[in-house]
Amino acid sequence: NAGVTQTPKFRILKIGQSMTLQCAQDMNHNYMYWYRQDPGMGLKLIYYSVGAGITDKGEVPNGYNVSRSTTEDFPLRLELAAPSQTSVYFCASGDNRGGTDTQYFGPGTRLTVL
Amino acid sequence: AQSVTQPDIHITVSEGASLELRCNYSYGATPYLFWYVQSPGQGLQLLLKYFSGDTLVQGIKGFEAEFKRSQSSFNLRKPSVHWSDAAEYFCAVGLTFGNEKLTFGTGTRLTIIP
Repeated sequence: NAGVTQTPKFRILKIGQSMTLQCAQDMNHNYMYWYRQDPGMGLKLIYYSVGAGITDKGEVPNGYNVSRSTTEDFPLRLELAAPSQTSVYFCASGDNRGGTDTQYFGPGTRLTVL
Repeated sequence: AQSVTQPDIHITVSEGASLELRCNYSYGATPYLFWYVQSPGQGLQLLLKYFSGDTLVQGIKGFEAEFKRSQSSFNLRKPSVHWSDAAEYFCAVGLTFGNEKLTFGTGTRLTIIP
């Protein structure tokens, strides 16, 4: 199993540009998450999904959009990039069926908006 | 809303010395508690978790944590640290069993000196 994969690893955007951060998992987990991590801060939840077709806002959803058309994929969309969105983005997946209750994290995408 | 406090931003210990990282939470009921570790440039990895039962929890890499309800704490300990333990450590709290939203602390950076 590859686990949770994220692409790209690094990206520089100009203000106003848009992009999609890709996240995929091959563990058949029903839960998926997007977090952002700013220096000196913990992880903040942006959006999460409890299954295909179901998404919900987290703590800091403004400026982002998500979709979940399949169990495996959970892309994060930035429509109009702003400097405040410079951060490291982590995708995670998990599944509480059968007592599995751990979130598994991808390696992250470092995004800079200039 | 629940919150997590990690009072120590940065801790330095000598290799072979014991370690204790502090975590305090604020929540009306018994939360679900987690410790994650993040090595430089990597995603987060679960060290251990507490849901119920024995208040002393054993994790991977020789770590343990003790849940103390009276102190609203879930401190992480290791009797003898290794240079490879240098990383950022995050405490997190969840409200429901399994993979609902987690709230993370701001992290403690651990430096190991020879």
